[in-house]
Amino acid sequence: NAGVMQNPRHLVRRRGQEARLRCSPMKGHSHVYWYRQLPEEGLKFMVYLQKENIIDESGMPKERFSAEFPKEGPSILRIQQVVRGDSAAYFCASSPLTGGLTEAFFGQGTRLTVV
Amino acid sequence: GQQVMQIPQYQHVQEGEDFTTYCNSSTTLSNIQWYKQRPGGHPVFLIQLVKSGEVKKQKRLTFQFGEAKKNSSLHITATQTTDVGTYFCAGERDSGGSNYKLTFGKGTLLTVNP
Repeated sequence: NAGVMQNPRHLVRRRGQEARLRCSPMKGHSHVYWYRQLPEEGLKFMVYLQKENIIDESGMPKERFSAEFPKEGPSILRIQQVVRGDSAAYFCASSPLTGGLTEAFFGQGTRLTVV
Repeated sequence: GQQVMQIPQYQHVQEGEDFTTYCNSSTTLSNIQWYKQRPGGHPVFLIQLVKSGEVKKQKRLTFQFGEAKKNSSLHITATQTTDVGTYFCAGERDSGGSNYKLTFGKGTLLTVNP
């Protein structure tokens, strides 16, 4: 049973480009959470999704950021027109139930660098 | 808004020494969680504390939740090189809450000299 898979592991984008981050949850997990980690900071919650539904996006910036978790395929975090401040590690976690992070496993993260 | 402060920011110890990191919240918490993140790695859930004054142990790790549910500590006895990493606390304010909308501290980076 593979763990939570995130790709790419490292992503470099120029200012103004789009970044697409993918997260495949563990088999049998239908709950996905996205977090952002700035250098030397803790995680900050962005969005919580179930299959085809956004449950809570209260941590997501209002502009340029969007997330989806389609019926088939991975969850996608999309950042349009990236700026230098978007440089961070983006982690997703998946859980089988609504137990939140206490029952979740994190992926290895995507390190986004905006140049 | 809610703030979670963690001290120290960095701690370097000799292998075999003890280590403690402290976490303080500006507001009363319903629960607190602790995570470990190895350098370049991803967070790994360690434990959740819910009750006032609660103490939990995992081998050489001892976790405490303060009586007022505003502070917590993680103590490692006789550190080993495998303990290297950043230890984060994360608090949740709302009782019966989500367990995912947590406020994370900035973490304590522990390095161990063999």
